[in-house]
Amino acid sequence: KAGVTQTPRYLIKTRGQQVTLSCSPISGHRSVSWYQQTPGQGLQFLFEYFSETQRNKGNFPGRFSGRQFSNSRSEMNVSTLELGDSALYLCASSPVSGVNTEAFFGQGTRLTVV
Amino acid sequence: AQSVTQLDSQVPVFEEAPVELRCNYSSSVSVYLFWYVQYPNQGLQLLLKYLSGSTLVKGINGFEAEFNKSQTSFHLRKPSVHISDTAEYFCAVSDPGNTPLVFGKGTRLSVIA
Repeated sequence: KAGVTQTPRYLIKTRGQQVTLSCSPISGHRSVSWYQQTPGQGLQFLFEYFSETQRNKGNFPGRFSGRQFSNSRSEMNVSTLELGDSALYLCASSPVSGVNTEAFFGQGTRLTVV
Repeated sequence: AQSVTQLDSQVPVFEEAPVELRCNYSSSVSVYLFWYVQYPNQGLQLLLKYLSGSTLVKGINGFEAEFNKSQTSFHLRKPSVHISDTAEYFCAVSDPGNTPLVFGKGTRLSVIA
């Protein structure tokens, strides 16, 4: 069974640009969550999607947005990039919504904003 | 809102020695608790989780953790570590009811030959 796939693995963008990251969950999984990982703040929850609906949202500005498609694939978008957005963005998928099921993480997309 | 404190940012330990990685969470009526491991350039992998029942939880790779409600702790232990255990370990907590995971800042375990 294929794991969670995140593309691209590495990305370099310039301040002010926008970026779209992609996550393909494990086949059959309907929940996708996104996290931002930085050395200073650690892992912070961005949002969760389940069956194309946003179920939870973290404390991030509106520049961060996401969506989920009918095949459960998810994208997150960051507009007007800032230097502080440089981070490892991790996606996790679960069969259903809720943390009492195991979340499977992808390898992440490392975004560098210059 | 829940919060998690991992008391040690780095833990060096010799190979075959025991190790304990400490985790405390803010008090709540009921919680779900997790330990994840992250190897370099990888995502997170679940080591073990406590949802209910026995307070001693066994996970993969010989790790175990004990839920202590009175001390609001969920410390991770392994009786004998290997070089391959070198990684970053994250404690996470959630309230029941579909709330997101809240992670600690992580503990970097370095196993020395």
